[in-house]
Amino acid sequence: DQQVKQNSPSLSVQEGRISILNCDYTNSMFDYFLWYKKYPAEGPTFLISISSIKDKNEDGRFTVFLNKSAKHLSLHIVPSQPGDSAVYFCAADAGGTSYGKLTFGQGTILTVHP
Amino acid sequence: GAGVSQSPSNKVTEKGKDVELRCDPISGHTALYWYRQSLGQGLEFLIYFQGNSAPDKSGLPSDRFSAERTGGSVSTLTIQRTQQEDSAVYLCASSLGERGRTDTQYFGPGTRLTVL
Repeated sequence: DQQVKQNSPSLSVQEGRISILNCDYTNSMFDYFLWYKKYPAEGPTFLISISSIKDKNEDGRFTVFLNKSAKHLSLHIVPSQPGDSAVYFCAADAGGTSYGKLTFGQGTILTVHP
Repeated sequence: GAGVSQSPSNKVTEKGKDVELRCDPISGHTALYWYRQSLGQGLEFLIYFQGNSAPDKSGLPSDRFSAERTGGSVSTLTIQRTQQEDSAVYLCASSLGERGRTDTQYFGPGTRLTVL
C-alpha cells in the first residue's frame, strides 16, 4: 500500500525553465510534508517542508504547494539549474505517535540540461 | 561539523550469512532512524530510536532484523540469515529529537547490501 506516490519516475527540463515535481498521498493523517534531494552515492538532504495549515512555502528558488482537498503537493524550482539534477523524494509525517516516521515516495529523477 | 556516517559503504554477502551495519549519528542528536531503499522504491522506514530506546520498531520486515543503540550514539542494524530480498541500500538518519517541525532528519550516505 503506497501511501505516498510520485507518479513520474523522471523529468527533463531546460536550464532556466521551471521544474514541477508532483506527489500524491492517500493517508489523511499526514500533516507535514517534506521534499528531499538525493545525489548519487549520498544520503538524501532536506530541501523544504510545509505544514498542513499552509498551502504554500517558499525558499529561494524552491516553492512547495499543498492542496489538501486533492491530497496533492508539488515542488516548483524556478529557475532550474544543472546542479539541481538529482533524485527528488517527497515524504510525509503523520505526527502524533508516528512523529518522525517519514513515509517516502518512490522518487523522481530530475535532469536539467544546460 | 561531522555528518552522519555509516559503515561499511558496501557489503556483499552470501545468502544465509549474518551482517551488521553501523551508523554514527551527528553528535548530540538523540533521535536515530533506519530506512532502506530497495531498487526502484522509495525509502522504507525500519526503526526509530529516541536515546537508547526504540519506541517504534514497526517497520522491521521480520524477526531476522534487529537493531540496537548504545550510549545514545552509535547504532547497529543486524540482519540474520540474509536473503536475496534483503538486498537494498540501508540509510541511517539522525535528528535533534526535539518535538516540533524543525526537527530535520540528516541522512548518512547509506550502506549498499548485496546478498548473493
